Amino acid sequence: GAGVSQTPSNKVTEKGKYVELRCDPISGHTALYWYRQSLGQGPEFLIYFQGTGAADDSGLPNDRFFAVRPEGSVSTLKIQRTERGDSAVYLCASSLRRRGYGELFFGEGSRLTVL
Amino acid sequence: AQRVTQPEKLLSVFKGAPVELKCNYSYSGSPELFWYVQYSRQRLQLLLRHISRESIKGFTADLNKGETSFHLKKPFAQEEDSAMYYCALSSGSRLTFGEGTQLTVNP
Repeated sequence: GAGVSQTPSNKVTEKGKYVELRCDPISGHTALYWYRQSLGQGPEFLIYFQGTGAADDSGLPNDRFFAVRPEGSVSTLKIQRTERGDSAVYLCASSLRRRGYGELFFGEGSRLTVL
Repeated sequence: AQRVTQPEKLLSVFKGAPVELKCNYSYSGSPELFWYVQYSRQRLQLLLRHISRESIKGFTADLNKGETSFHLKKPFAQEEDSAMYYCALSSGSRLTFGEGTQLTVNP
């Protein structure tokens, strides 16, 4: 595709429910990142994949959050037992560089609302 | 731990006026700094990075290690510069963003 694609663009769920957010990076980009952006804040790092493995998951807030990238392309961010404080825009980005930061290409985000 | 501070949440200037968006950072290593921009209804995108020492859309930013700053400047603001601007610092595997400055350029 032309850019990073994220689905769904909007998700409304109830407290306690399970949610999956999907990210399809730019073809050939080995690095993939998840960020969370709350209202009025800058993007907050969650996790970074290099290929299939999570190279840095230290930004995940707690064990309710988990992410996978089984084939080194599409990634899924999974949130269990959602809480109202999880409401935010979840951004995915991909990059061509194998180490450090090249230019990050962001998706449009998935807006999660937990009622 | 690394930290990026953008002291102004909102900045409003008139077309043709100079503009400076402030960014300060704290980091114990050798920093790599970026400015990202988000125009209305568009996705977040890279504007410029300090190692390139380039001017993009008339914007420049100079890394000042003594003052730990990376302010973004443009001598003559245009209405199309209105957007949300984020300063970001790279440390290892993560990019740390500031809270952003909403720039409005009035006609």
